[in-house]
Amino acid sequence: DAKTTQPTSMDCAEGRAANLPCNHSTISGNEYVYWYRQIHSQGPQYIIHGLKNNETNEMASLIITEDRKSSTLILPHATLRDTAVYYCIVRVASGGGADGLTFGKGTHLIIQP
Amino acid sequence: DAMVIQNPRYQVTQFGKPVTLSCSQTLNHNVMYWYQQKSSQAPKLLFHYYDKDFNNEADTPDNFQSRRPNTSFCFLDIRSPGLGDAAMYLCATSRDKGTATYEQYFGPGTRLTVT
Repeated sequence: DAKTTQPTSMDCAEGRAANLPCNHSTISGNEYVYWYRQIHSQGPQYIIHGLKNNETNEMASLIITEDRKSSTLILPHATLRDTAVYYCIVRVASGGGADGLTFGKGTHLIIQP
Repeated sequence: DAMVIQNPRYQVTQFGKPVTLSCSQTLNHNVMYWYQQKSSQAPKLLFHYYDKDFNNEADTPDNFQSRRPNTSFCFLDIRSPGLGDAAMYLCATSRDKGTATYEQYFGPGTRLTVT
C-alpha cells in the first residue's frame, strides 16, 4: 500500500469546517483513499473512502486532487465530539484476501470550544 | 444494533500467565481481524481470518495465536504474556465478496495490563 503523510496535529474552532490534508504521492491507479478516526479509548471508526471523484456522506466530504497525489477530509461543522486522531489510509479496495489496514501516525484533531 | 463486541474491556494478567481475549460480531461478516495498539501508537495488524482461513502477519510473534470457531466469534490467545504485550487489542470485521472489500468495523477494544 502507498505511504501517506499527514500533519501531526491540528486545531479547529467548534462550528467551523475542519480540513484535514493527506499526501499520498505514490498512490497507484487501483488504490483508494480511506479515512478512519479514533476517538480516545475507542476503536477506530470508518468515515469515508474514494478513488478519484469527490465523495460526501453524512459524516464528511472527501476531496481528491485530479492527480490523486493528495486529498482533504472535510468535517463541515466540527463539534467537540470530533476531537480524535484521523487516519488517512491508501489501499486496494478490491477483494482477494481482505488485507488489514496499515495505519500511519494520523492527525490529532482538537476541536476548540 | 449490529456490532462488534469485545470482552472483557479491561483484562489484567500476570507475566507468563496465558490469557484469552474474546470478540463476537452480529454483522455476519466473513473477515475478522485482530490489531494491537500500544500506548500513543497506531493500531498494528496481528492477523486475520478470511472465513476459516487464518492469515498471519509476518512480524506477529509466535506468542500470539487466534481461533475462530464459527462466523460470529474470534479469540486472541497470548500464550506467555510479557510486559511488552501490554496494549489495547482491537477486533474488527469486514465483508469481502472477492471483488470488493468493504470498510472495517471495530470493537471498543480490550485493554490488557501485564503485571
